[in-house]
Amino acid sequence: DAEITQSPRHKITETGRQVTLACHQTWNHNNMFWYRQDLGHGLRLIHYSYGVHDTNKGEVSDGYSVSRSNTEDLPLTLESAASSQTSVYFCASSESRVRGYTFGSGTRLTVV
Amino acid sequence: GDSVTQMEGPVTLSEEAFLTINCTYTATGYPSLFWYVQYPGEGLQLLLKATKADDKGSNKGFEATYRKETTSFHLEKGSVQVSDSAVYFCALIKSQGAQKLVFGQGTRLTINP
Repeated sequence: DAEITQSPRHKITETGRQVTLACHQTWNHNNMFWYRQDLGHGLRLIHYSYGVHDTNKGEVSDGYSVSRSNTEDLPLTLESAASSQTSVYFCASSESRVRGYTFGSGTRLTVV
Repeated sequence: GDSVTQMEGPVTLSEEAFLTINCTYTATGYPSLFWYVQYPGEGLQLLLKATKADDKGSNKGFEATYRKETTSFHLEKGSVQVSDSAVYFCALIKSQGAQKLVFGQGTRLTINP
């Protein structure tokens, strides 16, 4: 069965370190998204991609980057982790706007 | 800009009670509307959707009707169960332009036996 997987599920890192969160989907969806979820803020869009070599900034992109070298993967990199980036991160993919998104199970990141 | 407003939670009900979670939106054109559910420790799952005015989405006993005149998409269920305890998110995606889901804040629902 097709799926979308995120790794790791949990990560603790130190302030200033570079961290990469993985997202891999086997749906063959062109569209992929990264969100962060925080109490009081709901889900906020970090970056998104409509296909290979395409990336776009979302509403909270500062301090994050993505690259899309194939259809299946959209890794999210925190260039220099900050405590404000402690959050739960969700990756999602979609085939079209009317079908909605399929979400991964999330990565809980703690920056100490 | 586009936005979604949900009723604030948390909401606590007894089993078999009637559920309504209000959702209104602001967007130009004719967005598609969604309800997602998030169970503890899990990602979001699509619960139901509606893509045009007067459409009714339904799944697992939940229903929501796309009301263009009131820009609303309220979630309802006639008889809730303990297993419905979760966080519910209303969301929209515009019919043109960027294919980005815009979420409401989420409503935490707890059902007591």
